[in-house]
Amino acid sequence: AQSVAQPEDQVNVAEGNPLTVKCTYSVSGNPYLFWYVQYPNRGLQFLLKYITGDNLVKGSYGFEAEFNKSQTSFHLKKPSALVSDSALYFCAVRDGTGFQKLVFGTGTRLLVSP
Amino acid sequence: NAGVTQTPKFRVLKTGQSMTLLCAQDMNHEYMYWYRQDPGMGLRLIHYSVGEGTTAKGEVPDGYNVSRLKKQNFLLGLESAAPSQTSVYFCATHPLAGLFDTQYFGPGTRLTVL
Repeated sequence: AQSVAQPEDQVNVAEGNPLTVKCTYSVSGNPYLFWYVQYPNRGLQFLLKYITGDNLVKGSYGFEAEFNKSQTSFHLKKPSALVSDSALYFCAVRDGTGFQKLVFGTGTRLLVSP
Repeated sequence: NAGVTQTPKFRVLKTGQSMTLLCAQDMNHEYMYWYRQDPGMGLRLIHYSVGEGTTAKGEVPDGYNVSRLKKQNFLLGLESAAPSQTSVYFCATHPLAGLFDTQYFGPGTRLTVL
């Protein structure tokens, strides 16, 4: 069965500094990986995905993620954090069957201080 | 184009009461999902539907029932609410054609069972 781990409950970073939110995964076949963001009292919003191809994926709001097959990781990154990036971030991996069922990590709260 | 809407936004129930949560979408998507979100546990799939008239169990289906009588609506029912069902419930949709596309989430329903 597929699984996703987000080892950090919270990440703190100062505005302007680079940020990384970690994600590791386990699947039996090829991984299809996603990052979502959740702002307070809102639903999840799609940030970016890796399906195949270039290991560096660029997404919304200046975020990017690096797929590393050997380390089974898909860390979310941004070169310069903004206070408005403060939110809850979820990594998700798609089930390897033909059905599009996502398995989510437990989430990482990002807090960007001014 | 409203996307995915959920009704109600908030609800307080007493133990043993019943209620139905409505998810409606205007994107003509085939797949619809119900998740619950609990602190430290991420999103867990309750039930899902791959098309009108079909439903299937997800990861945590006990205590819930669903129906998909119309393609645009996916109903989640609690027959006899329990405090363990206090949670935030999210509906999501996904098109049939885009197997690697994102899921689209509603704004959520916050349910408290006393």
